[in-house]
Amino acid sequence: NAGVTQTPKFQVLKTGQSMTLQCAQDMNHNSMYWYRQDPGMGLRLIYYSASEGTTDKGEVPNGYNVSRLNKREFSLRLESAAPSQTSVYFCASSPVFRVSEQYFGPGTRLTVT
Amino acid sequence: GQQVMQIPQYQHVQEGEDFTTYCNSSTTLSNIQWYKQRPGGHPVFLIQLVKSGEVKKQKRLTFQFGEAKKNSSLHITATQTTDVGTYFCAGDNTDKLIFGTGTRLQVFP
Repeated sequence: NAGVTQTPKFQVLKTGQSMTLQCAQDMNHNSMYWYRQDPGMGLRLIYYSASEGTTDKGEVPNGYNVSRLNKREFSLRLESAAPSQTSVYFCASSPVFRVSEQYFGPGTRLTVT
Repeated sequence: GQQVMQIPQYQHVQEGEDFTTYCNSSTTLSNIQWYKQRPGGHPVFLIQLVKSGEVKKQKRLTFQFGEAKKNSSLHITATQTTDVGTYFCAGDNTDKLIFGTGTRLQVFP
């Protein structure tokens, strides 16, 4: 029972490159989330999927796209990376949307040069 | 939009001293959650408060939800070095969970 897993753990991109961050959970949770964490900014919601088959924008969606591939997997794509997207990205899941605790993955540390 | 602010931003204490962090929302919340993030780690859920004026305890940690459901606090009694980390509140109104900016706690032995 791994909980929430994320790949890769670290990534360095050049400006303009694209990449996909992968997230999977094995807890049969309905809801999944992508956050970014910057120093002094806390956690900011990028996109979320309240249930399989749905996705919605969070607080800072610009420059990102998501796919809820199935109940287990929720990926985050950067189509054309920018230095402003240098951050630590966390995926999280919860049994029910909003009203229950969220379980976080270990994070992906992304640097865009 | 909704904002959730936390104070202080940083707190350094001597081991054995008490610590409190405060969380304030610009809007009324339906519930509030608290998370702890160790240095280099990921946020870990601590507790959820739902009722106005609710107080919950976990060993040396005391969590409180304000009567107006717009503020909350976390108090740690007699801090230990294992308490080091950043404590986040996360408030939920009618839309989604908004995380506060966090309070980083450093404990000196």
